Parts: sequence; C-alpha cells; structure tokens
Amino acid sequence: DAGVTQSPTHLIKTRGQQVTLRCSPKSGHDTVSWYQQALGQGPQFIFQYYEEEERQRGNFPDRFSGHQFPNYSSELNVNALLLGDSALYLCASSLVAEETQYFGPGTRLLVL
Amino acid sequence: AQSVTQLGSHVSVSEGALVLLRCNYSSSVPPYLFWYVQYPNQGLQLLLKYTSAATLVKGINGFEAEFKKSETSFHLTKPSAHMSDAAEYFCAVSYFNDMRFGAGTRLTVKP
Repeated sequence: DAGVTQSPTHLIKTRGQQVTLRCSPKSGHDTVSWYQQALGQGPQFIFQYYEEEERQRGNFPDRFSGHQFPNYSSELNVNALLLGDSALYLCASSLVAEETQYFGPGTRLLVL
Repeated sequence: AQSVTQLGSHVSVSEGALVLLRCNYSSSVPPYLFWYVQYPNQGLQLLLKYTSAATLVKGINGFEAEFKKSETSFHLTKPSAHMSDAAEYFCAVSYFNDMRFGAGTRLTVKP
C-alpha cells in the first residue's frame, strides 16, 4: 500500500519565478492538505482540498494556490517566489470524515 | 481557536533513560491530539493519536501519551530511550481536519 508521495524531492528557483509541487495521496484517501515548514519550525497549514475544492485555508497570500484532480492528487503552485518561501513543503492526506493525516516526505524548495 | 504549546525546544537524555516530551493544548471543543516524529530530511511520521477512546494511548516504537483534560496536557513518554529515538517531535491538535502544530522538541540521546 503506497503512502503519500511527493515530487520533486528538491527544487531550486530564483526570486520572482513560479513553482509547482505535486502530491499523490495515500490509497483510499480523498482529502489533501499542504503545509509549509520553515527551518527549525513546526509545519504551518497552507490549505486543504476535498472534492476538487479548497475547503480550508491558512494565513497565506494568494500567491499560494492549489488544485485537486479527480484522482485526488494535488498540486501546490507558488507565484512570484520570495526568498522567504524557502522551506520544506509537506503534503498530507486523510479521509474527510477522519482527523488523522498522513504525511509525505516533502519537497525542499530553495529560493535564491 | 486551537493551539498547542510544546515546553522545551530541546531535550537531552542518556540512552536507557526515561523520555518525557511535554505538550499542552488549547481547544474549545474536545480535541483530537497527535504526536508526530520527524527524522532529518524526512516528512512526519505518525507516532500516536488521541481520539477520545482511551486516555492512555500507545504508539509505535514504545512511545505512549496520556491525555489529561484537567491539565490540558498530552505528554509523550518512553520508558527507555534508544539512540534511534533522536529526532524532532511535534505535537498537534486537530478539529475538522484543521491541524495545528507545536514548534517541535528536538530529542538528543547520549550514549
């Protein structure tokens, strides 16, 4: 049973560029959440997708957007990258009726 | 709004000693509480979860946590530390899939 997978594992971008990160949820899960984890900090909630709709959103600017596909996989897009966007981006999947979230290995983004 | 506070950003124990990582929560409704572990350059792995079924929760790798409503605490313990337990530990609270994490506690295990 495959767990949550994310791609790519690492990414280097320059300021002002745009980036797309991808996530495939654990088999059978229908909900995907994205988190940003800056160095030395706990994960911060970006947003959550269910039934291809953004269900909840944390305190992140509109530069952060996402999408969920019919197969429940998801993308996180970040426009106009800033140095401060450098972080580990974690995807987590769950069932909408349950609270337990399972995390992928993350994508480490470095913005130069 | 829900939140968790992890007391102690860094805990150091000797191999074989008791591990105690502290977490206090704030929630206006009965919470779902979690402990996750993060090894270097990896994602978060679920250690255990409290979902109101039992106040003492047993997890993987010999860890357990006790939910104490009167103290609003959910401390993580392990009777005997192993070198492989060295990692970052995160306490989290969730309600309707809105999960909030503490700042984390880095556990160091000395030989």
